[in-house]
Amino acid sequence: DGGITQSPKYLFRKEGQNVTLSCEQNLNHDAMYWYRQDPGQGLRLIYYSQIVNDFQKGDIAEGYSVSREKKESFPLTVTSAQKNPTAFYLCASSEQGAHYGYTFGSGTRLTVV
Amino acid sequence: GDSVTQMEGPVTLSEEAFLTINCTYTATGYPSLFWYVQYPGEGLQLLLKATKADDKGSNKGFEATYRKETTSFHLEKGSVQVSDSAVYFCALTRSGNTGKLIFGQGTTLQVKP
Repeated sequence: DGGITQSPKYLFRKEGQNVTLSCEQNLNHDAMYWYRQDPGQGLRLIYYSQIVNDFQKGDIAEGYSVSREKKESFPLTVTSAQKNPTAFYLCASSEQGAHYGYTFGSGTRLTVV
Repeated sequence: GDSVTQMEGPVTLSEEAFLTINCTYTATGYPSLFWYVQYPGEGLQLLLKATKADDKGSNKGFEATYRKETTSFHLEKGSVQVSDSAVYFCALTRSGNTGKLIFGQGTTLQVKP
């Protein structure tokens, strides 16, 4: 079955450490996205990529970095420059234009202590 | 700019009650409209969609009609169950075929037995 996989589901890191969240899809989607969700809040776009080897900043890109070396993969690195990294991170993918919406992964809950 | 406005929650209902969650939008052109559902600790799942005016999306007893004259896409269900307790997000495709979805802030539904 096609889908989008995020790993790990829970991640704990010490303050000051970089951490990379994995996102893999086998839907043959061109576009991929990263969102951040804080408790009781909506979704905020971090980065998105519409094609391999290209990506754009979203609304809250500071303190984050991404790469898109393969169509299937869009890892997100949370750097030590991100002031409040503890959050729920969601990855999504879509075909070009997103006319049929996004497919989401199950999320990674990052806790920085 | 494009935007989505949802009714504030939480919405608390008794089992078998009628549900309406209001969603209105601002957009140029003819966006596609979506409802997503998020269960606790999980990613978002596409619940239903409509791609043109007067279309009705439906799934699992939920319905929403694309009303261009009132720029609305209200979610309805005739008889809710405890298992429907979740957060519901309304979304639209952003103008200009950028492939990006604009999400509302989400509405929490609590159904009590």
